[in-house]
Amino acid sequence: QKEVEQDPGPLSVPEGAIVSLNCTYSNSAFQYFMWYRQYSRKGPELLMYTYSSGNKEDGRFTAQVDKSSKYISLFIRDSQPSDSATYLCAMTKNQGGKLIFGQGTELSVKP
Amino acid sequence: DAGVIQSPRHEVTEMGQEVTLRCKPISGHDYLFWYRQTMMRGLELLIYFNNNVPIDDSGMPEDRFSAKMPNASFSTLKIQPSEPRDSAVYFCASSLAGGRTGELFFGEGSRLTVL
Repeated sequence: QKEVEQDPGPLSVPEGAIVSLNCTYSNSAFQYFMWYRQYSRKGPELLMYTYSSGNKEDGRFTAQVDKSSKYISLFIRDSQPSDSATYLCAMTKNQGGKLIFGQGTELSVKP
Repeated sequence: DAGVIQSPRHEVTEMGQEVTLRCKPISGHDYLFWYRQTMMRGLELLIYFNNNVPIDDSGMPEDRFSAKMPNASFSTLKIQPSEPRDSAVYFCASSLAGGRTGELFFGEGSRLTVL
């Protein structure tokens, strides 16, 4: 079993839809949780990060962490065609340590 | 800053040949990571360095793979001999301990095709 599980999709939604992306993990030692966005033929870029459980909002993006369920989510409101990319969840036990990535979910937002 | 710089961007080689991938991290960063990305397995950590010292190489698939970091501004990942199953995109990333937790800065990747 992988440490981090993420549905690879692909996921296709119309412009303006609310998108929900999710990951589950097995290692309760993970403390820092991140979402990276990767455009085609580019390297991943950090989108959101949270420490421990809770919510964090940044514009149209909301990240949620539920450590009791070992489940993290990323919500995108009012999705735009420019949001079309692969979204990867990632997590680590401690600062500067190994960052373990999910497989990534490919999202396509249709105009 | 120019960001993480990787070369070559694309490499096509034949099975059995030696492949060397290069990385220049962001100046001042003290962690350097090598990842491999495939459709089947996603983004896998191969090895990472802290202050030029290898910390964890448990992700290196086998002895055909080796990585070095001779100084703070340069790292190489070598595959010898290469095999078709090594075809993937190889990413180098760097980060700064004490900076924003978990923020790795990735290069644009080296796309390797082994025929």
